Amino acid sequence: RKEVEQDPGPFNVPEGATVAFNCTYSNSASQSFFWYRQDCRKEPKLLMSVYSSGNEDGRFTAQLNRASQYISLLIRDSKLSDSATYLCVVIFSGSARQLTFGSGTQLTVLP
Amino acid sequence: ETGVTQSPTHLIKTRGQQVTLRCSSQSGHNTVSWYQQALGQGPQFIFQYYREEENGRGNFPPRFSGLQFPNYSSELNVNALELDDSALYLCASSLDRGKGELFFGEGSRLTVL
Repeated sequence: RKEVEQDPGPFNVPEGATVAFNCTYSNSASQSFFWYRQDCRKEPKLLMSVYSSGNEDGRFTAQLNRASQYISLLIRDSKLSDSATYLCVVIFSGSARQLTFGSGTQLTVLP
Repeated sequence: ETGVTQSPTHLIKTRGQQVTLRCSSQSGHNTVSWYQQALGQGPQFIFQYYREEENGRGNFPPRFSGLQFPNYSSELNVNALELDDSALYLCASSLDRGKGELFFGEGSRLTVL
């Protein structure tokens, strides 16, 4: 079983739609959580950190449920420019702060 | 841009050859991490260097080795290349063993034939 699992998609949604991505992680001794965005053939870039209390950045909302070992990302009012692969990332305790990535969920926002 | 530069951007090698990939970290960053990203997968941690010493290693064989120089730039060396080594190799720089955000370079895309 992979340490970080995501639904690979692809998700094809119309502009303006709300879309949610889920991610589960296997190790309860986990330290930090993030969502990264990766455009086609480019490097990953940090989208947002995920906090236990949940956090929001504009149209993006991230949630963490430590008891269920579950992370989510909600995108409201999707834009064409949101089309990308979204990577769930966990830093496990004692791991020299190495990022453990999920395989990514591909999103395409259609006009 | 992130200020992290990698070279070469693309290269083609044959099975059994050796390759060296290079990374210049963002100014002031003393930690460099290397990741391998196969097609359709998320990046996988290879190793991290902090102040010229290896500071953690993922599940990669010894033929993957690295160096960090006094100016904090870094090299990734892969010996005895295998077809499965074909991937995007990403370098990420950060402060102090990864505290805070990691900044990725655009990667070196390696094809092994």
